[in-house]
Amino acid sequence: DTAVSQTPKYLVTQMGNDKSIKCEQNLGHDTMYWYKQDSKKFLKIMFSYNNKELIINETVPNRFSPKSPDKAHLNLHINSLELGDSAVYFCASSLGGAVTSGGYEQFFGPGTRLTVL
Amino acid sequence: KNEVEQSPQNLTAQEGEFITINCSYSVGISALHWLQQHPGGGIVSLFMLSSGKKKHGRLIATINIQEKHSSLHITASHPRDSAVYICAVRPGGSEKLVFGKGTKLTVNP
Repeated sequence: DTAVSQTPKYLVTQMGNDKSIKCEQNLGHDTMYWYKQDSKKFLKIMFSYNNKELIINETVPNRFSPKSPDKAHLNLHINSLELGDSAVYFCASSLGGAVTSGGYEQFFGPGTRLTVL
Repeated sequence: KNEVEQSPQNLTAQEGEFITINCSYSVGISALHWLQQHPGGGIVSLFMLSSGKKKHGRLIATINIQEKHSSLHITASHPRDSAVYICAVRPGGSEKLVFGKGTKLTVNP
C-alpha cells in the first residue's frame, strides 16, 4: 500500500564502513530523487534519476553512488562512511521531470536516519 | 544568503488563530512547492503552484511571481497543524528543488 518506501528506517554504523539504502515506489512515476536532511533540518538535493538516467548530480562526495536498476527503484550506496554523513536521507518520486513537464508534485519516503559512530 | 528565505523561523499560535508563513526567493522559477514535515519526520507535499492561488481544506497558498513571494495560510489552526512547513522552489530550466530552512509551527490548545 505504501507509495514510496525506504529501507532501513534506521542505520547505525561505524566510520569507514560501506552501507546501502534502498528506495522503491509503486506509483508508476518516472523520476526519483535522493535528499539529505542535516541536523538543522535543512533539505538538499543529492541525485535524481529519470527513467533510470541520472539527471541531477549535485556536488556530493564520490563516496556516494546512486543506482537505479529500474524506474521503480533508486538505491544509494555510501562507501567509507564519515561522521559528517550522519543525517536523514529521504527518497522521493514524481510523475515526470521538471524541464519537460513544468514540474510535478513530489512524494516522499519516510526517511532513513543514518548515524555514523 | 540562501536562495529561499522563509519567515518566521518559529511561530507559536493558539488554536483557532489564522496563520501566515512567508517565503521569498531570489531566482526566476518554474514552480514553488509547500511541504509539511510532521514531528515524526515524514514529509508531505501540500501544494505546487506557479501562479495565483490554491486552496485545500483550511490551507491556502498564494504566489506573486513578480514580487518573488509566496504565502501559506492556515485558517482556524489546530494543534494537529503543528509541524515544520518548508518552501521549495524549482529554478527555471532546472530539474532540482531548492529548499528554505523551514518554519516551525506550534499550535497550542
